Amino acid sequence: SAVISQKPSRDICQRGTSLTIQCQVDSQVTMMFWYRQQPGQSLTLIATANQGSEATYESGFVIDKFPISRPNLTFSTLTVSNMSPEDSSIYLCSVSLYQETQYFGPGTRLLVL
Amino acid sequence: KQEVTQIPAALSVPEGENLVLNCSFTDSAIYNLQWFRQDPGKGLTSLLLIQSSQREQTSGRLNASLDKSSGRSTLYIAASQPGDSATYLCAVTPPGNTPLVFGKGTRLSVIA
Repeated sequence: SAVISQKPSRDICQRGTSLTIQCQVDSQVTMMFWYRQQPGQSLTLIATANQGSEATYESGFVIDKFPISRPNLTFSTLTVSNMSPEDSSIYLCSVSLYQETQYFGPGTRLLVL
Repeated sequence: KQEVTQIPAALSVPEGENLVLNCSFTDSAIYNLQWFRQDPGKGLTSLLLIQSSQREQTSGRLNASLDKSSGRSTLYIAASQPGDSATYLCAVTPPGNTPLVFGKGTRLSVIA
């Protein structure tokens, strides 16, 4: 299994500011994923974070709004830029391991005022 | 495009009841199916993983079945407890190393 931590666990931010969320895994993994869960909705994949290359974004998500870093095989960051109240969500980091089981971090609960 | 549907959206049962949560998916070409639990405001915990070649998996009071040809899975919870109250999410892995596709979840409340 994998143990994943995220920082911060929650934050309240002002409109127009940016927040960087960190994801740390206790083992080296090739693929890390960033998801968003808006209130009352299921998870939506934002992007796949590949070490040593640009992240791959899903339709509706762009790098300028959600820049991602993946400096090594155990760490990634997601930045939510120029935030608006619509960005209020839980942001989750996950990794894919053996037999493609996915493990999820505890999430970052973001409220934008 | 793969779509995952979970029924019911919410369920409330008295403690001790056995219950079934349903999940259906539109494309039977899946690598595996997972059931997750999510407590309010928290991340996901993987409960059971069923490979496409398997019919069911069991863990304690939980039993998940998979009928790939009909695009259905069920999560059976025996002797429900108040601690089982959470949202249960079903997700399928499409072929290839691609991310999961999630249902919207079933919000379960077990009343003491």
